Amino acid sequence: EPEVTQTPSHQVTQMGQEVILRCVPISNHLYFYWYRQILGQKVEFLVSFYNNEISEKSEIFDDQFSVERPDGSNFTLKIRSTKLEDSAMYFCASSEALRGDPLMGYTEAFFGQGTRLTVV
Amino acid sequence: AQTVTQSQPEMSVQEAETVTLSCTYDTSESNYYLFWYKQPPSRQMILVIRQEAYKQQNATENRFSVNFQKAAKSFSLKISDSQLGDTAMYFCAFHTQGGSEKLVFGKGTKLTVNP
Repeated sequence: EPEVTQTPSHQVTQMGQEVILRCVPISNHLYFYWYRQILGQKVEFLVSFYNNEISEKSEIFDDQFSVERPDGSNFTLKIRSTKLEDSAMYFCASSEALRGDPLMGYTEAFFGQGTRLTVV
Repeated sequence: AQTVTQSQPEMSVQEAETVTLSCTYDTSESNYYLFWYKQPPSRQMILVIRQEAYKQQNATENRFSVNFQKAAKSFSLKISDSQLGDTAMYFCAFHTQGGSEKLVFGKGTKLTVNP
């Protein structure tokens, strides 16, 4: 069964360093997403990406964050200068189409297993 | 803004028994979807069940069923004949039909199924 894969499973980085979290979405999917979950908190939407550009982002997704689809298979989240409060689980997801599209009906988003980012 | 609240941080149940996880939400939208996601120790988020708000009939997937009360904005998950493999975090989530692409999640309920 196709699945979304994320690497690494755990990343430890020093405050101020740049990190890149990697995701390989399901191959025929067109929409990609990043979510994060700070320990003990809600899973929060960060950004969605379609057709090589950001289609929606939350207020959390400020200038220190960026996303990219560098080679047609990977989807990356870069955090430019990490802060202690960036420590969280980061989940990538992908879907075949826009979920809840009135014409296409609902299409499921598939999640990866997450990357635990620890900023020290 | 939409919010999702799960008031039970942790629950436990004996194997083969039934357990109900609670979820309430707040929205001014009339068309939306509600979900329960399961996150086992492997950490993969897995869709358990989905409910379209326009459907009055409660969704069912094998041992999993929901009690959707639209007027009360309540969406509980019932797990029947609980199995050890049901041990996981369960997240209730909300998605507006059309418009925003984001899922809005609750904080989750940690369910432990005891042998």
